[in-house]
Amino acid sequence: LAKTTQPISMDSYEGQEVNITCSHNNIATNDYITWYQQFPSQGPRFIIQGYKTKVTNEVASLFIPADRKSSTLSLPRVSLSDTAVYYCLVGDILGAGSYQLTFGKGTKLSVIP
Amino acid sequence: ETGVTQTPRHLVMGMTNKKSLKCEQHLGHNAMYWYKQSAKKPLELMFVYNFKEQTENNSVPSRFSPECPNSSHLFLHLHTLQPEDSALYLCASSQEEVASADTQYFGPGTRLTVL
Repeated sequence: LAKTTQPISMDSYEGQEVNITCSHNNIATNDYITWYQQFPSQGPRFIIQGYKTKVTNEVASLFIPADRKSSTLSLPRVSLSDTAVYYCLVGDILGAGSYQLTFGKGTKLSVIP
Repeated sequence: ETGVTQTPRHLVMGMTNKKSLKCEQHLGHNAMYWYKQSAKKPLELMFVYNFKEQTENNSVPSRFSPECPNSSHLFLHLHTLQPEDSALYLCASSQEEVASADTQYFGPGTRLTVL
C-alpha cells in the first residue's frame, strides 16, 4: 500500500508553472522523497529527490516543509512534452527488514496548448 | 538511455508457450527489480534481487520465474501464462536495495500480450 497521496490528475496550459503536492503523513525519519515521471509505455524516469527544505535541478524543484509530511514538485514553464504521470514515493519497509519503493497511482498531468 | 536495457520490447505469446524476458544493466548496480504495470494500474513490484540473491517475492504466481545469474543480468521466465498477465513488464536497477535514497533506473519495458 502506497504511503503517499497525490491528486489523480491536473491540467495546465503551456508556459505555466505547475505544482503537484504529495501527502506523506507517516514518513519515517530515514525516508527520502523521490519523484518519478512516466510517459506512456515507457519506464519511470527519476526527476528529483530530497530530504528537507528545497532541492532544485535542471528540470524541477522540490519543496519540503519542516514537518516533512508533504512535498511539492514544481515544474517551471511546462511544455506539451511534460504531459506524463508523476509519482511521489517514499520508502516502505517490508517484512524481514527489507525496503522497497511503492508506486501509487500518480498524478496525470495534461499540458494544454 | 538509462543504462538499463530490456529485450524483447514487444512479445506476443500463447498460453502454452514458454518465453523469457531479459534485462541488462550497465550501471554497476547491485540490486535489480521486476515490476508489472497493467493498464490503468500502479506499478506492482514482483521480485527483488540484491547482490544476486532474491530478497522479495510479492506473492507472484509460479508461472513467473525470475533468474539472476549475476548482478548485471536479470531474467523473467514465463510459462503457461493467462490473458490477464498481459502488461508492461519493467526492469529496474539501483545501487543497493536497502536505502530510501537509492534511485531506481528503469528500462524501457517489454509489452507482453498473452493470447
